[in-house]
Amino acid sequence: ELKVEQNPLFLSMQEGKNYTIYCNYSTTSDRLYWYRQDPGKSLESLFVLLSNGAVKQEGRLMASLDTKARLSTLHITAAVHDLSATYFCAVDSNTGNQFYFGTGTSLTVIP
Amino acid sequence: DSGVTQTPKHLITATGQRVTLRCSPRSGDLSVYWYQQSLDQGLQFLIQYYNGEERAKGNILERFSAQQFPDLHSELNLSSLELGDSALYFCASSVGTAISNTEAFFGQGTRLTVV
Repeated sequence: ELKVEQNPLFLSMQEGKNYTIYCNYSTTSDRLYWYRQDPGKSLESLFVLLSNGAVKQEGRLMASLDTKARLSTLHITAAVHDLSATYFCAVDSNTGNQFYFGTGTSLTVIP
Repeated sequence: DSGVTQTPKHLITATGQRVTLRCSPRSGDLSVYWYQQSLDQGLQFLIQYYNGEERAKGNILERFSAQQFPDLHSELNLSSLELGDSALYFCASSVGTAISNTEAFFGQGTRLTVV
């Protein structure tokens, strides 16, 4: 079964600081997805990375994909409190019918 | 608002009971996916329907079943409920047959508490 691992699981950072969340997966895939989830809320799509070397940026978040290393990163620049949430990466199955989600990274940005 | 509607938002029931969760996909989406989110198992894929037909099956228990109706809404039936079934159940929808080929949108979820 495809495994997706994220680290760290918990991240507490001060406003204004930079940090990176890592997502490793166990099988070849050219597609990786990042989602954000606020407590008790649904999953909001952040980034869709569809090829090796893909890089996408939205505001203070930037995601990249290295399919050879089976690694994606979500970089946070100059964190603000509004970024506090749980972030999930997901890889699709070979058939594309389902996502395998990572364990999630719970991010808390401290003023 | 993703356009995917799930009802009810909250459900509290006793062990051994049966419940039905409902999902209305976004207009025009033919695929519906069900996911379970629990503290110990994380987000797990349960089942997918495409245009009324079962398309893919994940870690869905035999006590659970689902269907998609002609109007494309879907229901997830959970029976003989156990404490461990307490979780947040999400429905997602997409246009195509594969969740990865087109953007998928998630509903707000149904929080099931089994007491």
